[in-house]
Amino acid sequence: QQKVQQSPESLIVPEGGMASLNCTSSDRNVDYFWWYRQHSGKSPKMLMSIFSNGEKEEGRFTVHLNKASLHTSLHIRDSQPSDSALYLCAASDYNQGKLIFGQGTKLSIKP
Amino acid sequence: GALVYQYPRRTICKSGTSMRMECQAVGFQATSVAWYRQSPQKTFELIALSTVNSAIKYEQNFTQEKFPISHPNLSFSSMTVLNAYLEDRGLYLCGAGTLYEQYFGPGTRLTVL
Repeated sequence: QQKVQQSPESLIVPEGGMASLNCTSSDRNVDYFWWYRQHSGKSPKMLMSIFSNGEKEEGRFTVHLNKASLHTSLHIRDSQPSDSALYLCAASDYNQGKLIFGQGTKLSIKP
Repeated sequence: GALVYQYPRRTICKSGTSMRMECQAVGFQATSVAWYRQSPQKTFELIALSTVNSAIKYEQNFTQEKFPISHPNLSFSSMTVLNAYLEDRGLYLCGAGTLYEQYFGPGTRLTVL
């Protein structure tokens, strides 16, 4: 079973709209969450990371974390066509020091 | 800034042959290097995590016999895909950094004929 689950699998959002992506870990050893963005044919680039309960905002991107439920979400406001990409959530396992990736959410922004 | 280079960017090999790929960290000292594979229709699979001064840890379904890794210093790592077959094709990514933060290289795309 996948230890990091992302939803939805794919998402279509109109330009200027809000995109909301979810990620949950079933491994209680994780203590860091990462969000990566991968454009087609490219390697993933880190967007944001979070390890404390609450919210973190950077520009149009906001990340939430609920450590009790090991759930994190990424919100993109004022979505742009250039935001169309595969969004990957990864969790760090403190004991083993490795990133476990979810299967990703394919985001499409429609002009 | 921190950069990770991978070489080659693309490679084609015949079924049953082997190919070696390299990963170079520039601008920072990577204490760990992780190798991932992104197969068609799949997410990233961790192959192995290599930490300087510690044994290389391979994930289930990946072995040293198939994917030998060398991590001789803080800035360089190499991995070989031995006896490559069709199921080995994909994008091989190197993530270099610390245990908690990895910068990815552009990847080596392996095609097996």
